[in-house]
Amino acid sequence: AAGVIQSPRHLIKEKRETATLKCYPIPRHDTVYWYQQGPGQDPQFLISFYEKMQSDKGSIPDRFSAQQFSDYHSELNMSSLELGDSALYFCASSPPGQFNYGYTFGSGTRLTVV
Amino acid sequence: RKEVEQDPGPFNVPEGATVAFNCTYSNSASQSFFWYRQDCRKEPKLLMSVYSSGNEDGRFTAQLNRASQYISLLIRDSKLSDSATYLCVVNGNYGGSQGNLIFGKGTKLSVKP
Repeated sequence: AAGVIQSPRHLIKEKRETATLKCYPIPRHDTVYWYQQGPGQDPQFLISFYEKMQSDKGSIPDRFSAQQFSDYHSELNMSSLELGDSALYFCASSPPGQFNYGYTFGSGTRLTVV
Repeated sequence: RKEVEQDPGPFNVPEGATVAFNCTYSNSASQSFFWYRQDCRKEPKLLMSVYSSGNEDGRFTAQLNRASQYISLLIRDSKLSDSATYLCVVNGNYGGSQGNLIFGKGTKLSVKP
């Protein structure tokens, strides 16, 4: 079965650079969530989209932005990267009306800022 | 106070042991509850949803006490492959049509031979 696809799997950037992470949800899933997990930390909710509109916002820094496109894939854009942005970034998706049944996560993008 | 709290462990148990994890959540309006499992450097994977009546899936039993805002996970006959971090998760968009998940910090389980 198709899963949530994230790219790239690994990314190394320098401070103050920009990065774009991509997420392709499971087909027919209309809601996408982005999470950030720092070393030894629990996943922290950043932002979510439902039907291409932002539906909820968590602890996403102003330096980050995200959007969901017409094909439901989503991109997380990160600018002015800081060392503290080094983390695993997970994307998850859920099907229409089934957000209460738990989400499926992608394998994540490991971002290292040096 | 964190919205979802768990004992971080680690819990070090021998194979075949029974182990229980507990979790508390702060918002009484929470509607959906889950246990996720996360292996090192991997994505969280849904282990099971937690229902008010309690539910069982093989060796795993989950319980929810809404009055005490308390969730538990019981693992019987532990296997080496059960070694992982177990995350208590609560749906955070109270009363909304879409919900983001709020994770506890996780409880680390290590099953030894």
